[in-house]
Amino acid sequence: QLQLQESGPGLVKPSETLSLTCTVSGGSISSSSYYWGWIRQPPGKGLEWIGSIYYSGSTYYNPSLKSRVTISVDTSKNQFSLKLSSVTAADTAVYYCARVDGYCSGGSCYDDVLSGWGQGTLVTVSS
Amino acid sequence: QPVLTQSSSASASLGSSVKLTCTLSSGHSSYIIAWHQQQPGKAPRYLMKLEGSGSYNKGSGVPDRFSGSSSGADRYLTISNLQSEDEADYYCETWDSNTRVFGGGTKLTVL
Repeated sequence: QLQLQESGPGLVKPSETLSLTCTVSGGSISSSSYYWGWIRQPPGKGLEWIGSIYYSGSTYYNPSLKSRVTISVDTSKNQFSLKLSSVTAADTAVYYCARVDGYCSGGSCYDDVLSGWGQGTLVTVSS
Repeated sequence: QPVLTQSSSASASLGSSVKLTCTLSSGHSSYIIAWHQQQPGKAPRYLMKLEGSGSYNKGSGVPDRFSGSSSGADRYLTISNLQSEDEADYYCETWDSNTRVFGGGTKLTVL
């Protein structure tokens, strides 16, 4: 069964870059059956989708964060990563990595339902 | 892009049933959604994928007490025989080309 585990610093200074990694176990990140995503949840608030990536490297991002976000994949390590630049206190949140079901049809591939979650990691932005 | 609207809170008694609603914005009434459960202090858990037809597919290990249904732009999550562990936040989610959105969540209290 596919499992996801986030890792990275729990404290980041304002204006710096937040960097997190999600390690996939129990399956291959290169499977055409999945996309991979990042979601965050500020303390006491709801869920916000950050962006998603396919093993080929194809990405798409939340328009509200697009200018600061980079998601990448390392198939050799079975990992994908999140970088969020120029962070402020508003970026303090629990960050989750996630598995998104995908399918291919007519030569194109598409994402479908978000069907698996990592356990999450709290990142605090503070000096 | 689609917008999902959920009531902020709901409550029901132990052993009873509750029906939570997620409403899709105008022009998106045919969209498929997913329901996720987040128990206090835990990561969200995928419950099911729910189509506009009312057909649904549950995630692995989701109890039979959880079911889904649809009517127009509304998507429902029904929990029968409520247990104390069902006290949680419930989020709906949908997706479109190159975007994914969550509803604001409903906090369910089991009385």
